[in-house]
Amino acid sequence: AQSVSQHNHHVILSEAASLELGCNYSYGGTVNLFWYVQYPGQHLQLLLKYFSGDPLVKGIKGFEAEFIKSKFSFNLRKPSVQWSDTAEYFCAVSNSGGYNKLIFGAGTRLAVHP
Amino acid sequence: GAGVSQSPSNKVTEKGKDVELRCDPISGHTALYWYRQRLGQGLEFLIYFQGNSAPDKSGLPSDRFSAERTGESVSTLTIQRTQQEDSAVYLCASSLKAGGITDTQYFGPGTRLTVL
Repeated sequence: AQSVSQHNHHVILSEAASLELGCNYSYGGTVNLFWYVQYPGQHLQLLLKYFSGDPLVKGIKGFEAEFIKSKFSFNLRKPSVQWSDTAEYFCAVSNSGGYNKLIFGAGTRLAVHP
Repeated sequence: GAGVSQSPSNKVTEKGKDVELRCDPISGHTALYWYRQRLGQGLEFLIYFQGNSAPDKSGLPSDRFSAERTGESVSTLTIQRTQQEDSAVYLCASSLKAGGITDTQYFGPGTRLTVL
């Protein structure tokens, strides 16, 4: 069965620090990969997605993620975080051969201090 | 108002009662998904509807859970004889069609269900 593992449950950073959130998945086939973000008081929204092609994907608000197939990883990065990036981040995977039933990781809560 | 909407936003019920949760997808979206998020956990897939095809109910945790969708519009998730472990946020998402590069799921705000 597919599963997604997010290594850090809570991350605390100061503004301007660099961010990397880990995500590993288990699935033997071809996958689609997603990062969703939930800002305080708001609903879940898509940050970026990977379907095929360039494994380095750029998303909104300066975020990017790199798909490393050999490591089954899709880590999220941002070179310099802002206080407004405080949110919960979810990695998700779906089977690219079928419809996009998303399997989510448990999420990582990021707190950025000014 | 082009987003996914859900109602109620909060629901408190007593153990053993039935509850009904509603989702209005984005107009024109043929695919609709229900997920559940328990406290401190990621989202769990519950059920998926695509047009007039038979739904994928593989994620429903028990036969107390059921869902319906009328065509490509509103969906209702019903939980019968609620239990305390049903307490969670229930999220609905819709997408233009299932599968492929266009299939980004757009999520609603969720319904927070508390079973006392």
